[in-house]
Amino acid sequence: RKEVEQDPGPFNVPEGATVAFNCTYSNSASQSFFWYRQDCRKEPKLLMSVYSSGNEDGRFTAQLNRASQYISLLIRDSKLSDSATYLCVVNLILDTGRRALTFGSGTRLQVQP
Amino acid sequence: EPEVTQTPSHQVTQMGQEVILRCVPISNHLYFYWYRQILGQKVEFLVSFYNNEISEKSEIFDDQFSVERPDGSNFTLKIRSTKLEDSAMYFCASSVTVDRTDTQYFGPGTRLTVL
Repeated sequence: RKEVEQDPGPFNVPEGATVAFNCTYSNSASQSFFWYRQDCRKEPKLLMSVYSSGNEDGRFTAQLNRASQYISLLIRDSKLSDSATYLCVVNLILDTGRRALTFGSGTRLQVQP
Repeated sequence: EPEVTQTPSHQVTQMGQEVILRCVPISNHLYFYWYRQILGQKVEFLVSFYNNEISEKSEIFDDQFSVERPDGSNFTLKIRSTKLEDSAMYFCASSVTVDRTDTQYFGPGTRLTVL
């Protein structure tokens, strides 16, 4: 089973639509969770951290379900500029002190006019 | 806003040659990382570095790879004898601490093409 699994998409949505992405992770000891955004041939950029209670940042809402090992990202009122690949990222800290991010393969979003 | 910088943006090399990829992490950050992304694939962890030594490395980071912090600002990744399959984007990242919630900031990447 993949460590972090995402639907690759693409999700093609009209401007103004609401779209949701899901992600599952395999290691129940995972400790922190993030959504990164990656534009074509660019570096990943942090979109938001995901907290246990769920959190919102403007049009973006992230949810975490530890019992189901499931993370979600909701984008409301999609803009053309939201077109990108959204990466689900998990941070697992082991006894060795490793703090390396584990990335999903990403979900591609294309917002159309 | 401070940012991670990387040079060169694109490196083309012949198979078997040595390459050095350079990164300047954000100045007050203490933890440094290298990741790579083969075209069309996911971002993969290579190595983390703290206090002038490797703290963790993945199975990808074999004897052909090495990292160094030669001075107070640069952080380098060396590939001793490049292979075709080393062609990828290489991202450097840094963070202030190793706290589980701390953000890793990524540089713009170096695209390595091995011919």
